[in-house]
Amino acid sequence: DAKTTQPNSMESNEEEPVHLPCNHSTISGTDYIHWYRQLPSQGPEYVIHGLTSNVNNRMASLAIAEDRKSSTLILHRATLRDAAVYYCILNPAGNQFYFGTGTSLTVIP
Amino acid sequence: GAGVSQSPSNKVTEKGKDVELRCDPISGHTALYWYRQSLGQGLEFLIYFQGNSAPDKSGLPSDRFSAERTGGSVSTLTIQRTQQEDSAVYLCASSLDSYNSPLHFGNGTRLTVT
Repeated sequence: DAKTTQPNSMESNEEEPVHLPCNHSTISGTDYIHWYRQLPSQGPEYVIHGLTSNVNNRMASLAIAEDRKSSTLILHRATLRDAAVYYCILNPAGNQFYFGTGTSLTVIP
Repeated sequence: GAGVSQSPSNKVTEKGKDVELRCDPISGHTALYWYRQSLGQGLEFLIYFQGNSAPDKSGLPSDRFSAERTGGSVSTLTIQRTQQEDSAVYLCASSLDSYNSPLHFGNGTRLTVT
């Protein structure tokens, strides 16, 4: 299974940008990079995904390194509702998604 | 629109009993996944269905666990002779296909084995 490495926890002040890193040095050429987040007592929620180019949507931005061995999820202005566990996952073509333990984000008011 | 629905939301059972957990995926989604999440832990992959292909059962922890997906839609996860270590939240997710499509999760079934 394709592995990712994330910090166990991070903190951010409210209304400041947050950069959540993920290392995936064993990524293969066809693996998509997905990000999900999980709020307390809920199932994970899709945030964003990409292959090679940086991606933006209403929730966040995804910056992918040129060699694709790392990526960064960017929340442009953290709110208290963004406090969650964030998972970075590789999706090999036609295969299952493996979730690690993710990064627990605390947003400080 | 309707999301992934799981039932029951909570289940308390006695050790040794069998339980069935149900997942109704989003209509038209061909891929369906089951995960297990113990308290304070990440998600543990259990089983994966893709269309009419044979399911990937590589994550099932023992032969007490089984799952089926009828008609390419509803899925049932069955745990026989439940043990206390089976206590966890069981999460189901579906996606349009298995590649480049995001997963949509239900809110899970919290199973407590007493």
